[in-house]
Amino acid sequence: DAGVIQSPRHEVTEMGQEVTLRCKPISGHDYLFWYRQTMMRGLELLIYFNNNVPIDDSGMPEDRFSAKMPNASFSTLKIQPSEPRDSAVYFCASRAGPGTGTYEQYFGPGTRLTVT
Amino acid sequence: ELKVEQNPLFLSMQEGKNYTIYCNYSTTSDRLYWYRQDPGKSLESLFVLLSNGAVKQEGRLMASLDTKARLSTLHITAAVHDLSATYFCAVDMNYGGSQGNLIFGKGTKLSVKP
Repeated sequence: DAGVIQSPRHEVTEMGQEVTLRCKPISGHDYLFWYRQTMMRGLELLIYFNNNVPIDDSGMPEDRFSAKMPNASFSTLKIQPSEPRDSAVYFCASRAGPGTGTYEQYFGPGTRLTVT
Repeated sequence: ELKVEQNPLFLSMQEGKNYTIYCNYSTTSDRLYWYRQDPGKSLESLFVLLSNGAVKQEGRLMASLDTKARLSTLHITAAVHDLSATYFCAVDMNYGGSQGNLIFGKGTKLSVKP
């Protein structure tokens, strides 16, 4: 398996622009997670999905952030409008369902976002 | 609110020496994870500890879990330069519901010097 795939790997945009980050989870995984990593706040869970349904979005910082999972193989995280403080590395991770007996979350390579 | 605390946050070691990284957490959970992150890279899963007393070993790294003390340790034996990285522990917040909502510690940046 190719692992979790994220695109783009790097994104530089100007304040006020819309940014869309994309993620393809590992095939067969039921859970998908979006994390943000910054020096100041470390790794934070933004939102996660189970079987394409958002379960917990309490980590989404504000209404400018939205996430969707239209099918089992694709998810997006959108920031509109973007602000300099959104600059971070955004990771997507996926995990198999509990019935499999495995609990590891596999992380994608991340998207490094810079908002100027 | 679940809190996960790692110490030390920075660790400079000499090659060949042993050391332990500690991970304390503030509420009940029987599922603990250790990850490694190299600079500019993603997180690599090292260990998943699923019960009290669990011990796992891979090469020079050994992880253990004491759920009663709410403590996990990552022990490094005879460190080598290739182990230089940041190590994170993470606790499963929704253990009862097996949802996998992980809360991460701040990470321990390990530097192994000759």
